[in-house]
Amino acid sequence: DAGVIQSPRHEVTEMGQEVTLRCKPISGHDYLFWYRQTMMRGLELLIYFNNNVPIDDSGMPEDRFSAKMPNASFSTLKIQPSEPRDSAVYFCASSLGGSTGELFFGEGSRLTVL
Amino acid sequence: AQSVAQPEDQVNVAEGNPLTVKCTYSVSGNPYLFWYVQYPNRGLQFLLKYITGDNLVKGSYGFEAEFNKSQTSFHLKKPSALVSDSALYFCAVRDSASGTYKYIFGTGTRLKVLA
Repeated sequence: DAGVIQSPRHEVTEMGQEVTLRCKPISGHDYLFWYRQTMMRGLELLIYFNNNVPIDDSGMPEDRFSAKMPNASFSTLKIQPSEPRDSAVYFCASSLGGSTGELFFGEGSRLTVL
Repeated sequence: AQSVAQPEDQVNVAEGNPLTVKCTYSVSGNPYLFWYVQYPNRGLQFLLKYITGDNLVKGSYGFEAEFNKSQTSFHLKKPSALVSDSALYFCAVRDSASGTYKYIFGTGTRLKVLA
């Protein structure tokens, strides 16, 4: 398997623009997670899905952030409008359900908002 | 609420010496504990996990970790460090009693192995 695939790897945009980050989980995995990593706050869980259904979005910073999972092989994280404080590395991870499932991470999308 | 702490921002060790990276946790129920490693500009890679059973868990690249319930700790260890082990290490916990699949990560410990 190719692992978790994220795109784009790097995104530079200007404040106010819409940003869409994409993720393809490992085939057969039924959990998908979005994390954000910054120097100041470390790794923060934004939202996670089970069988394409959002289960917990309590980590989403504000209404500017939204995430969808239209099918088992694709998820998006959208920021609209973007702000400089959104600059971070965004990771997608997937896992096979059950108590022992470890997370498999993508390579991340580094977002810079100018 | 579940939480995990990594008390050291950085650990320096000489190549060939044993290394320990510390992790403590707090959960309501039984903990599911994990260690991950992150190399520069890469995603996190799974090293090992404790779910139940033997308190000493062996993982990838010669790493192991010891679960200590009384001290609520899950320290990562390796008998002989390599320069290539230099990276950022994260401990993570999931609370079996939380009813959720939230994995909470520590702040990370940077390991530097000196030649």
